Amino acid sequence: GESVGLHLPTLSVQEGDNSIINCAYSNSASDYFIWYKQESGKGPQFIIDIRSNMDKRQGQRVTVLLNKTVKHLSLQIAATQPGDSAVYFCAENGAGNMLTFGGGTRLMVKP
Amino acid sequence: NAGVMQNPRHLVRRRGQEARLRCSPMKGHSHVYWYRQLPEEGLKFMVYLQKENIIDESGMPKERFSAEFPKEGPSILRIQQVVRGDSAAYFCASSPMGRDYGYTFGSGTRLTVV
Repeated sequence: GESVGLHLPTLSVQEGDNSIINCAYSNSASDYFIWYKQESGKGPQFIIDIRSNMDKRQGQRVTVLLNKTVKHLSLQIAATQPGDSAVYFCAENGAGNMLTFGGGTRLMVKP
Repeated sequence: NAGVMQNPRHLVRRRGQEARLRCSPMKGHSHVYWYRQLPEEGLKFMVYLQKENIIDESGMPKERFSAEFPKEGPSILRIQQVVRGDSAAYFCASSPMGRDYGYTFGSGTRLTVV
């Protein structure tokens, strides 16, 4: 089964608000995590990554938080814009030779 | 520096035909991964290749599916005798040094079996 899962399949937010997308992982040996954004009809696009020796990493309008104690990952998007509407996936380098992806959360931004 | 190039973008095949999906990784990337995505679902790993070698094919169906990454040319995902259940988006990703670095994905090939 999947070792990475998401709590909410759909998240609807008002334009300008902050968004938080959550992800749980089960493989405590994972030491690298990535968030991807996928727009309709396109391939996944890298947003931000974090290694297990950190608990927070910031990019432009995005922040990833890692809580290794409870095996939880979150993506925060500040001042959400209509262009942020997409499906967001978390991924981990758990078991095997590949990244394992979660099921995805659809973010819908209301104008 | 072009990204990961996949072609064709859309492919329609009748049941029983063969489908060939191509992927050219980013320049300098020697690790190639193929993933399959069904509508409204996540990405499922299929196969991991380096030049002339299949490293991990644990996600590949046992029959009809094969992949290669020759010394010269793109990586090829081949599906023989396609069935309707093969209809999906197939994404290729490349990485410079394997799974501990971010993947760059192509735009995918959308396969429709009629």
